[in-house]
Amino acid sequence: DGGITQSPKYLFRKEGQNVTLSCEQNLNHDAMYWYRQDPGQGLRLIYYSQIVNDFQKGDIAEGYSVSREKKESFPLTVTSAQKNPTAFYLCASSNPGATKETQYFGPGTRLLVL
Amino acid sequence: RKEVEQDPGPFNVPEGATVAFNCTYSNSASQSFFWYRQDCRKEPKLLMSVYSSGNEDGRFTAQLNRASQYISLLIRDSKLSDSATYLCVVKNSPTDSWGKLQFGAGTQVVVTP
Repeated sequence: DGGITQSPKYLFRKEGQNVTLSCEQNLNHDAMYWYRQDPGQGLRLIYYSQIVNDFQKGDIAEGYSVSREKKESFPLTVTSAQKNPTAFYLCASSNPGATKETQYFGPGTRLLVL
Repeated sequence: RKEVEQDPGPFNVPEGATVAFNCTYSNSASQSFFWYRQDCRKEPKLLMSVYSSGNEDGRFTAQLNRASQYISLLIRDSKLSDSATYLCVVKNSPTDSWGKLQFGAGTQVVVTP
């Protein structure tokens, strides 16, 4: 089945620790995205990538980093510089240029600070 | 002002009844509109795109009013399984070719027996 996978489902971070969230897709989509969702708020864009080896900051990139070495993979690192990392993190992908292009989401990772 | 605004609800709906709610957007150049459904602690899933002339998908009807800059979603014959949060999603200007979407915070619908 084609889709997007994220791991782990739950992740605990200690103070000062960097953690990496995995996102893999086998939809052959060129574009991939990372969002953060906090209670009562809409999804906010962290980073996006339109093509391999290229990515751009979204609206709330501070304290996060990404890489896009393969089309299928777009891992997100939450660094120690992100002071309020507790949130639900969602990865998405899309096929830019498609009619009524929209984004498909992975199941998400819940990050909690210990 | 938020780019996409929704009434958070909850809308408590008896099973079998009809419920409708709106979403307003601030960017008049917005081109594409969607409704996503998000179940508790799950990822958003595309429910339907919203077309200029309005469109229907089974019990769900979506409308777009460009003059007043809002979209609406109507659910007929509500089922218990329709209980979820409905996210309004807007794609911005035509030059935004890479697909950036703006998400509303969602409207919660609770269908009761």
